[in-house]
Amino acid sequence: NAGVTQTPKFRILKIGQSMTLQCTQDMNHNYMYWYRQDPGMGLKLIYYSVGAGITDKGEVPNGYNVSRSTTEDFPLRLELAAPSQTSVYFCASRVGGAGELFFGEGSRLTVL
Amino acid sequence: DQQVKQNSPSLSVQEGRISILNCDYTNSMFDYFLWYKKYPAEGPTFLISISSIKDKNEDGRFTVFLNKSAKHLSLHIVPSQPGDSAVYFCAARPLRGSTLGRLYFGRGTQLTVWP
Repeated sequence: NAGVTQTPKFRILKIGQSMTLQCTQDMNHNYMYWYRQDPGMGLKLIYYSVGAGITDKGEVPNGYNVSRSTTEDFPLRLELAAPSQTSVYFCASRVGGAGELFFGEGSRLTVL
Repeated sequence: DQQVKQNSPSLSVQEGRISILNCDYTNSMFDYFLWYKKYPAEGPTFLISISSIKDKNEDGRFTVFLNKSAKHLSLHIVPSQPGDSAVYFCAARPLRGSTLGRLYFGRGTQLTVWP
């Protein structure tokens, strides 16, 4: 099994551009999460989903949107990219509301 | 508002000795705690966890201790090995009233184990 797969691994955006970070998991997990990690900081929750068709905001949702049309996929959309969105983004999943999170390898985004 | 705090950004330990990584939390609703390990250019991976009904959990070279009254937990690695060099994140979650299993993370401690 591949686990949690994120694409792209690296991306440079210009201010005002938009893009989508893709996340796919093949473990049939219901719960999926998007975190961002800024240098020297812990992971902060952007959005999460408890199943297909259900999403909700986390700690730092501004400037992002998500959708969950299937169990496997949880894309994160950045609209009108800003330098403050320069970060490493991690997608994660778990089978239910408890237990360990499985993380993807991360997507490093730079907004110039 | 940092509810999970790792006050040491870095720790350097000689191979074979004990590494002790510390974590403090402020939210008394937290009652499940996890440690994650992260290598450069990889995602965090789960290392060990502890529920508040215990004060110690062991897994091989890794032991986590929980002191609920002090709202403090620590991760002990004995003996430390160069391959343990990584960033270690402490995370916490309330089991009841939880925002759907959301984890709160500390800022991480960079452990370097030198030969």
